Amino acid sequence: AQTVTQSQPEMSVQEAETVTLSCTYDTSESDYYLFWYKQPPSRQMILVIRQEAYKQQNATENRFSVNFQKAAKSFSLKISDSQLGDAAMYFCAYRGSFGNEKLTFGTGTRLTIIP
Amino acid sequence: GAGVSQSPSNKVTEKGKDVELRCDPISGHTALYWYRQSLGQGLEFLIYFQGNSAPDKSGLPSDRFSAERTGGSVSTLTIQRTQQEDSAVYLCASSRTSGSYQETQYFGPGTRLLVL
Repeated sequence: AQTVTQSQPEMSVQEAETVTLSCTYDTSESDYYLFWYKQPPSRQMILVIRQEAYKQQNATENRFSVNFQKAAKSFSLKISDSQLGDAAMYFCAYRGSFGNEKLTFGTGTRLTIIP
Repeated sequence: GAGVSQSPSNKVTEKGKDVELRCDPISGHTALYWYRQSLGQGLEFLIYFQGNSAPDKSGLPSDRFSAERTGGSVSTLTIQRTQQEDSAVYLCASSRTSGSYQETQYFGPGTRLLVL
């Protein structure tokens, strides 16, 4: 079974600085998808960024980028120019390519932005 | 609407009562998922509907939990004889099954269930 590990329960960063959230996963599949979701206090899970495992190029969405290391099974999220609105729980998630497409989530990292 | 909607937003019930939680997916999304988010267990998959296929119920924690999807759109998650350990946020998500971003799930705002 696939597992996703987020080893940082909490992180904090000064406004306008850069922070990196870690995620590792375990799978025997060669093709899969990885996601970072943000969950603010409103509870809504918001997609931040996605990565397809067969693509070597790291995904980027504005201030958010990932460092995808397939061999190491690592998928970290970098947030540049942190803003107060970035404060939230961040969840790393894995989805296989075949069969049940359920998401397997990590335990989350709570990110605090310091003004 | 443009996104996944869920109702009610919050639900307080007494132990032993039945509850129904509703999810309305994004129009055109044929895949629908239910997840549970609780303090002790994190985010857990419950059930998955794909078009007219039989649902994958492998994540349902007990036979007190059931779900249906009518007309390939709206879904209802039913919890019978609720227990205090059922207290959690129940999240619904939907996705496309063809075309770009078909693997991406979009979530609703969730229903917070409190069993007293």
